[in-house]
Amino acid sequence: AQKVTQAQTEISVVEKEDVTLDCVYETRDTTYYLFWYKQPPSGELVFLIRRNSFDEQNEISGRYSWNFQKSTSSFNFTITASQVVDSAVYFCALSEAGTGRRALTFGSGTRLQVQP
Amino acid sequence: DTGVSQDPRHKITKRGQNVTFRCDPISEHNRLYWYRQTLGQGPEFLTYFQNEAQLEKSRLLSDRFSAERPKGSFSTLEIQRTEQGDSAMYLCASSLGVLTHYNEQFFGPGTRLTVL
Repeated sequence: AQKVTQAQTEISVVEKEDVTLDCVYETRDTTYYLFWYKQPPSGELVFLIRRNSFDEQNEISGRYSWNFQKSTSSFNFTITASQVVDSAVYFCALSEAGTGRRALTFGSGTRLQVQP
Repeated sequence: DTGVSQDPRHKITKRGQNVTFRCDPISEHNRLYWYRQTLGQGPEFLTYFQNEAQLEKSRLLSDRFSAERPKGSFSTLEIQRTEQGDSAMYLCASSLGVLTHYNEQFFGPGTRLTVL
């Protein structure tokens, strides 16, 4: 069965600090996809990134970067020079594409508070 | 820009009543998903449609829940004989499904259900 664990329930940082959100996943499938979503106080989930199981290249997008390591089943998310607007709940999610399933399995989320 | 829309945004009902929610996906998206999110948790998958066919249902979807997507466009989620445990945010998402590629799901703002 697939599972996503986000062990950090809440993180508080001061603006301009770097912060890393951890995500550990479990799956028996060899073909899967990993995602990060942001849920700001307004409530609507915003897609940030998708990664497939065959692509372990790290990715950087502006202040955001993602580190995918199959050896440790982790897909961590780093925000560099955090800003108050980054305050939100961040969810990591997994989909086992090899079985044809399309459902996303989400972690329980990490609430990030960026203080000015 | 027409993202995923959901109606109503809020619904308060008494235990035992039936409720129906509507979701309008992004117009060219052929896949539509329903999730449920309770406070402090990540979204949990309920069901998924590809065009008008309901292809996957979670065990969370009890007999009191039914979803339809009659013309492959909008979808409805009905809950019969509501219980207090049904109180949650009901999220709809859509994606463009292509056989060999997995596309990210885009989420609507959700319908918050409160059962008194």
